[in-house]
Amino acid sequence: EPEVTQTPSHQVTQMGQEVILRCVPISNHLYFYWYRQILGQKVEFLVSFYNNEISEKSEIFDDQFSVERPDGSNFTLKIRSTKLEDSAMYFCASSEGGAGRGYTFGSGTRLTVV
Amino acid sequence: AQSVTQLDSQVPVFEEAPVELRCNYSSSVSVYLFWYVQYPNQGLQLLLKYLSGSTLVESINGFEAEFNKSQTSFHLRKPSVHISDTAEYFCAVSGHTDKLIFGTGTRLQVFP
Repeated sequence: EPEVTQTPSHQVTQMGQEVILRCVPISNHLYFYWYRQILGQKVEFLVSFYNNEISEKSEIFDDQFSVERPDGSNFTLKIRSTKLEDSAMYFCASSEGGAGRGYTFGSGTRLTVV
Repeated sequence: AQSVTQLDSQVPVFEEAPVELRCNYSSSVSVYLFWYVQYPNQGLQLLLKYLSGSTLVESINGFEAEFNKSQTSFHLRKPSVHISDTAEYFCAVSGHTDKLIFGTGTRLQVFP
């Protein structure tokens, strides 16, 4: 069964450093997403991406965050200057036709900012 | 705006017993409703969804959920659970946009 692949599974970074979280969505999917889950809290929407541009973003997704689809297969989330409160599990997801068709989520990247 | 409430953070149950995981939502527009399951060290997997039509939806592994518009609920049920059902279950809603709004999750712990 097709999978969404995320790397790395766990990343530790120092406060103020830039991090790039990587995702390989399912090849025929057109919609891409990033969500995050702070430990003990709910899964929160960050951003959706379609047709090579952001279609929606949350209040969390401020100027420190950016997304990119640099080639035909990867979808990345960059945090320019990490803060302690960015520590969370970050989930990438893709969909063939939006939320109604159901997302496929990756296993997540646990980001720890120290 | 939409929101989702999962009242039970943890539900312990013995194997072969029935279980109900509660989910209530609020929305000013028509919604799609979902249940996702997360097994340890894995991503979120779609369990079942309600888009329209029959208010009772079923998954391939015996779970079912019923959309109740008057009570704004989408409770998840299984008549007989297995040890392998131990996981975190998330209710989610999407409205007029494509994003999912998740509840806080319910940890189902099945004991032998």
